[in-house]
Amino acid sequence: ETGVTQSPTHLIKTRGQQVTLRCSSQSGHNTVSWYQQALGQGPQFIFQYYREEENGRGNFPPRFSGLQFPNYSSELNVNALELDDSALYLCASSSLGNIQYFGAGTRLSVL
Amino acid sequence: QKEVEQNSGPLSVPEGAIASLNCTYSDRVSQSFFWYRQYSGKSPELIMSIYSNGDKEDGRFTAQLNKASQYVSLLIRDSQPSDSATYLCAVSYSGNTPLVFGKGTRLSVIA
Repeated sequence: ETGVTQSPTHLIKTRGQQVTLRCSSQSGHNTVSWYQQALGQGPQFIFQYYREEENGRGNFPPRFSGLQFPNYSSELNVNALELDDSALYLCASSSLGNIQYFGAGTRLSVL
Repeated sequence: QKEVEQNSGPLSVPEGAIASLNCTYSDRVSQSFFWYRQYSGKSPELIMSIYSNGDKEDGRFTAQLNKASQYVSLLIRDSQPSDSATYLCAVSYSGNTPLVFGKGTRLSVIA
């Protein structure tokens, strides 16, 4: 157990809908990173939050957005869902300069 | 474009043998290197981190890093069927920068 919790575990949406995924970081960690993992691929970096500010972004469109709260928990929001958004969404928490630990992930299916 | 390359496998080894997993990376300034294990349908679990050239051992696992050749490897001694999983190599520029993952190598340990 890494102490990183994600909710929900599974989600089914239809194309065009919006979704919010949640992540609670490990105690003492102030940085949250989000990754998308398509089937058969390695995780791809979406963005990172450090002390409530976006601290880097990967090659994802603006319809992928996020937030980090004062308790360092985080949300990932995806608008206008597309079929290709179907993937495992992973949250990783860390202290700045240290190893990233992953939560169990949210499996999103877009129909 | 930062890239991490891994042979996708499957790599099949008999129980008790040594499994050797390899990874190359493109960004010469990369500083931190990680091996994650991912069971089917689960999230990545950190096995090893390595930052300096040479070998690092932890139980049955040994990570090897050669920055001049931009090469990282993971050796699993006395392989067990429970080691059957996908092994992801990840690289970052420094401690808390985004991880760049390879696609993973699927390992199958045959009893």
